[in-house]
Amino acid sequence: NAGVTQTPKFQVLKTGQSMTLQCAQDMNHEYMSWYRQDPGMGLRLIHYSVGAGITDQGEVPNGYNVSRSTTEDFPLRLLSAAPSQTSVYFCASRTSSGNTIYFGEGSWLTVV
Amino acid sequence: RKEVEQDPGPFNVPEGATVAFNCTYSNSASQSFFWYRQDCRKEPKLLMSVYSSGNEDGRFTAQLNRASQYISLLIRDSKLSDSATYLCVVPREGGYQKVTFGIGTKLQVIP
Repeated sequence: NAGVTQTPKFQVLKTGQSMTLQCAQDMNHEYMSWYRQDPGMGLRLIHYSVGAGITDQGEVPNGYNVSRSTTEDFPLRLLSAAPSQTSVYFCASRTSSGNTIYFGEGSWLTVV
Repeated sequence: RKEVEQDPGPFNVPEGATVAFNCTYSNSASQSFFWYRQDCRKEPKLLMSVYSSGNEDGRFTAQLNRASQYISLLIRDSKLSDSATYLCVVPREGGYQKVTFGIGTKLQVIP
């Protein structure tokens, strides 16, 4: 029952450092997404993918890159971390026709 | 009007009470709506879908009011375990590929 697995769960970065949040799903879902959740704001879409080799920007893509080389994996890269990227990040997946979005357990990122 | 608006609460209710939350949306073309539940420091999980005819699942009832563009979630006989944040989710662009999440309404059920 792995579902959506994201790592690391907690990370502290210094301003300017880069890192990759890993996300994998074992449900053979076509759609995968990355969201960030900040106090007082709803989940905001960073990037999404509708299948291997296809990615697109969401509402808040600046400072982040993604790739989708396989159906299972959808890593999120922070290019040069900034304090404004301090947030909780959720990876999510669903089928192309399904209504249920499955989320990973979240990654708490602090940029100092 | 914002795409999705929710009262953040918190709603503090005693055990056994009935509580209702509303969520207003701006896109009149939206067809599908959802309520997700998010426990503290956990990921959101689908609670229920909202259909034109309404949807009931045990103590939970979801309703859609298209004329006034809001959806509602009613919880009867509240349990301590119902304490969570309830997120309203509305698809964009006529489909579910992108969705808008509300900020959530926090419910605290008190013994």
